[in-house]
Amino acid sequence: GAVVSQHPSWVICKSGTSVKIECRSLDFQATTMFWYRQFPKQSLMLMATSNEGSKATYEQGVEKDKFLINHASLTLSTLTVTSAHPEDSSFYICSTLAGGPKYNEQFFGPGTRLTVL
Amino acid sequence: DAKTTQPPSMDCAEGRAANLPCNHSTISGNEYVYWYRQIHSQGPQYIIHGLKNNETNEMASLIITEDRKSSTLILPHATLRDTAVYYCIVTASKLTFGTGTRLQVTL
Repeated sequence: GAVVSQHPSWVICKSGTSVKIECRSLDFQATTMFWYRQFPKQSLMLMATSNEGSKATYEQGVEKDKFLINHASLTLSTLTVTSAHPEDSSFYICSTLAGGPKYNEQFFGPGTRLTVL
Repeated sequence: DAKTTQPPSMDCAEGRAANLPCNHSTISGNEYVYWYRQIHSQGPQYIIHGLKNNETNEMASLIITEDRKSSTLILPHATLRDTAVYYCIVTASKLTFGTGTRLQVTL
């Protein structure tokens, strides 16, 4: 299956700063990528769907001006958490679609753990 | 997406089959049943999916009842590395993760 990487794997930042998380599809051209977040002891929540060359589609309740998504190429999508606050501390995970008949077979990255002090 | 119900936790002895149930009584005709798992502090991993027929791959088997209102994921020979949270997802579009079943494989 497709290999998806994320960078950084973990990051600690001060409140008020911005953090950029990269999601790369290493061996697959990903037209569509997804961004999820997972709070401790909770399940994954879809934040947004990122489409190459167009604006991302955000899920209800997710602030698009706070979580900036850029999908400028078929192998890279970035999520920038702007003006981060402690409540943004979470595990952020991206994924890509396999495509073809396996419509919803998604390949997930290893995740990025964000801690905002 | 149809709602799914899974037991919160299960134990399985290493080497034995792990049978993870999932109820999805409100499933629609165009919705697939997907199974993913998440090992602690990692991204989820796709396991298998099906529409109405039973499916098998190198990881697991998926048994879907004839009325499609429930399914069972079978790991034929569980190992310690299969300890994870297993998510049953019913959808025709986006993946919506519930709370899943925490499977603990023991010696």
